[in-house]
Amino acid sequence: LAKTTQPISMDSYEGQEVNITCSHNNIATNDYITWYQQFPSQGPRFIIQGYKTKVTNEVASLFIPADRKSSTLSLPRVSLSDTAVYYCLVAGREAAGNKLTFGGGTRVLVKP
Amino acid sequence: GAVVSQHPSWVICKSGTSVKIECRSLDFQATTMFWYRQFPKQSLMLMATSNEGSKATYEQGVEKDKFLINHASLTLSTLTVTSAHPEDSSFYICSARELAGEGDIQYFGAGTRLSVL
Repeated sequence: LAKTTQPISMDSYEGQEVNITCSHNNIATNDYITWYQQFPSQGPRFIIQGYKTKVTNEVASLFIPADRKSSTLSLPRVSLSDTAVYYCLVAGREAAGNKLTFGGGTRVLVKP
Repeated sequence: GAVVSQHPSWVICKSGTSVKIECRSLDFQATTMFWYRQFPKQSLMLMATSNEGSKATYEQGVEKDKFLINHASLTLSTLTVTSAHPEDSSFYICSARELAGEGDIQYFGAGTRLSVL
């Protein structure tokens, strides 16, 4: 399973863009990159998933360089309610091994 | 996204009793579900992989006789904490895997807070 490294914490202000970079140097060819958000005492919520280049949905964007050894989650114009822990995970699909190994995540604090 | 329901959300029990937690995928079928455990201020730790119609696969260090997993249908997996003790008090979270195009996504339940007295 590819190990991930991400900042322990980040502070931001309402209305700003937050970018969280995750390193996954030993990502395998069939691994996907998935990001989750977790609030206290709740299960993680799926944000976005990608394999390469850029993926965008109504919540966030995910930027993946050509070598795929890192990825950046971009949260546009954050609000106070975006204060949470964000996890970057790398795993393969089906038989390739898709167990998710959670690292420490990044605690994002959005200030008024 | 897909919805995973977990029940109960909170349970208090006496030491020595057993507690069952249910995990249901509401709008998709899940051949594979996962059970995690999370202590305060820590990350999620995978306990076991639940496979429909077969035995669960436990992670190293997780006692299979202590944490019984049953995945009887494509939408339901249960975790039973047998003879619970205070050290089993934790936040238990399940997830169900949905195949999504080239990748697949795990959707998580809301979690179950277990307090053993």
